[in-house]
Amino acid sequence: EIVLTQSPGTLSLSPGERATLSCRASQSVSSTYLAWYQQKPGQAPRLLIYGASSRATGIPDRFSGSGSGTDFTLTISRLEPEDFAVYYCQQYGSSPLLTFGGGTKVEIK
Amino acid sequence: EVQLLESGGGLIQPGGSLRLSCAASGFTFSAYAMSWVRQAPGKGLEWVSGISGGGGSANNADSVKGRFTISRDNSRNTLYLQMNNLRGEDTAVYYCAKGGRWSPSDSWGQGTLVTVSS
Repeated sequence: EIVLTQSPGTLSLSPGERATLSCRASQSVSSTYLAWYQQKPGQAPRLLIYGASSRATGIPDRFSGSGSGTDFTLTISRLEPEDFAVYYCQQYGSSPLLTFGGGTKVEIK
Repeated sequence: EVQLLESGGGLIQPGGSLRLSCAASGFTFSAYAMSWVRQAPGKGLEWVSGISGGGGSANNADSVKGRFTISRDNSRNTLYLQMNNLRGEDTAVYYCAKGGRWSPSDSWGQGTLVTVSS
């Protein structure tokens, strides 16, 4: 099983600031199969990024993904009020057992 | 528009069984892998099971192996999760998601709550 470790656990920032979220894998993950999701309280997750860097349909360009191998990053260039949420990374192909990271909560400072 | 509607959750005693269903519409169901993902109260997301579009390949997380079985009926556009020998730690909201191995989960249902308690 590939373990994904997200850091930090909580990120306290103000609207307009830049958010940088990390996802580290216990073994190399194909960037083709690395995704990021956003989840708000009481809602289902929403796909933001797939293939490590491709934005899903309707996702604004302030969201960007990068990385390869064992280190991946989600960047939100300028936080909008609606971006305060929990973010999860997921590997969906390097192993038949898919896995999620533990999540990073982006909260208002 | 893709729609995924889960059903079958509820309160069940430890050791009991439950079958979840997910009715899909708005896309060619048989062309896509599907997954079940759960979220325990106040916790993160946990992938539970996945199945290929044709149903010939399925995988389960180690935490549910031997107890949960994923299946699909492509003629009914429906995904299932048979859960046996349920434990307290299986208490969670269970989400059905379009996508699985090699395809990101780009659509999700609203979730169904399973509570395992005596």
